[in-house]
Amino acid sequence: KAGVTQTPRYLIKTRGQQVTLSCSPISGHRSVSWYQQTPGQGLQFLFEYFSETQRNKGNFPGRFSGRQFSNSRSEMNVSTLELGDSALYLCASSLIGDGYTFGSGTRLTVV
Amino acid sequence: SQQGEEDPQALSIQEGENATMNCSYKTSINNLQWYRQNSGRGLVHLILIRSNEREKHSGRLRVTLDTSKKSSSLLITASRAADTASYFCATDFPSGTYKYIFGTGTRLKVLA
Repeated sequence: KAGVTQTPRYLIKTRGQQVTLSCSPISGHRSVSWYQQTPGQGLQFLFEYFSETQRNKGNFPGRFSGRQFSNSRSEMNVSTLELGDSALYLCASSLIGDGYTFGSGTRLTVV
Repeated sequence: SQQGEEDPQALSIQEGENATMNCSYKTSINNLQWYRQNSGRGLVHLILIRSNEREKHSGRLRVTLDTSKKSSSLLITASRAADTASYFCATDFPSGTYKYIFGTGTRLKVLA
């Protein structure tokens, strides 16, 4: 059974650019969540999607957005990148009421 | 704000010893989970314990939950060098909001 796949693994972007990260959940998992991990703030919840609907959103500015497609694949987008957006972005999928299965993450560096 | 806070922040032990990590949280929960993370990679799910459970085992792992104290502990018995990692607790906060809040983590180092 394939795990959660995140692409790309590494990304370097310049301030002001935008970026799109992709996540393919485990087959059959309809819930996809995104987290940002930084040394200073730890793991911060970004948003959660279920059946193409965003059910919850963390305390991030509107520059951070996401969506989920009918096949449960999800993307997140960050516009007008800032240096502080440098982080490991983690995607996780789950069955309702179960633990998360995380992807390996996308490490974004903003220069 | 953090829902879960792990204690200690860092722990260093010898191979073969037991490691105990604690997690405290602030509000009522449906379940609490423990995860392991190696070197900034993705997190690996270890155990989920529901609010009506008091103890759960998985291999060398033992998790307890005390809802009256709003705390949980993770015990790793007979630790190995491969257990070196960061360990996080996560709680659904508040219940039914479809998100889990992670604690700050405990960095465990097992010395061979």
